[in-house]
Amino acid sequence: EAGVTQFPSHSVIEKGQTVTLRCDPISGHDNLYWYRRVMGKEIKFLLHFVKESKQDESGMPNNRFLAERTGGTYSTLKVQPAELEDSGVYFCASSQGRDRGYNEQFFGPGTRLTVL
Amino acid sequence: ELKVEQNPLFLSMQEGKNYTIYCNYSTTSDRLYWYRQDPGKSLESLFVLLSNGAVKQEGRLMASLDTKARLSTLHITAAVHDLSATYFCAVDKERWLDGNKLVFGAGTILRVKS
Repeated sequence: EAGVTQFPSHSVIEKGQTVTLRCDPISGHDNLYWYRRVMGKEIKFLLHFVKESKQDESGMPNNRFLAERTGGTYSTLKVQPAELEDSGVYFCASSQGRDRGYNEQFFGPGTRLTVL
Repeated sequence: ELKVEQNPLFLSMQEGKNYTIYCNYSTTSDRLYWYRQDPGKSLESLFVLLSNGAVKQEGRLMASLDTKARLSTLHITAAVHDLSATYFCAVDKERWLDGNKLVFGAGTILRVKS
């Protein structure tokens, strides 16, 4: 079974440019999450989709970040315009629905974003 | 607000030695997760601890959970070089909603020296 995949693995852009990150969850997983780790600090939650709906976007830092999940499959996270403080590693994770009784999330390898 | 603290943040060990990583969290939760990350790789799920007193072991790693003390430990026995990685603990809320967000500790960088 394929794991969570993310694209690109690295992105280097200049301040003010736009970047779009993509995440493909494990097939059949309704829950999809985005997290971010900035400069070796804690991994912080950004938002959570259940299928195509945003369940919780309380961690989104500001309106320069836009996440979508088309048809409940893959998700994109767009940063526009990018600022220096957006640099970090962006992780995507997915999990099955509530019938498991707990929320074991499976993570992708992350996208390392560098804003110059 | 749920907070998770790990210590130590960096651990340099000699092969063959034992050590423990600690994970404290600030509010009631019954579920704690341990992950391992190798450089440039995904976070790999190691253990899921679901109740007070839960203990799980895999190879040289053993994890336990004390929900009353709000403490989990990851014990390393007779460390080997292959265990070098970053270890994260994470907690989600007590009640199962439709997929809760995880709150992570800062991570412990483990280096095992020959």
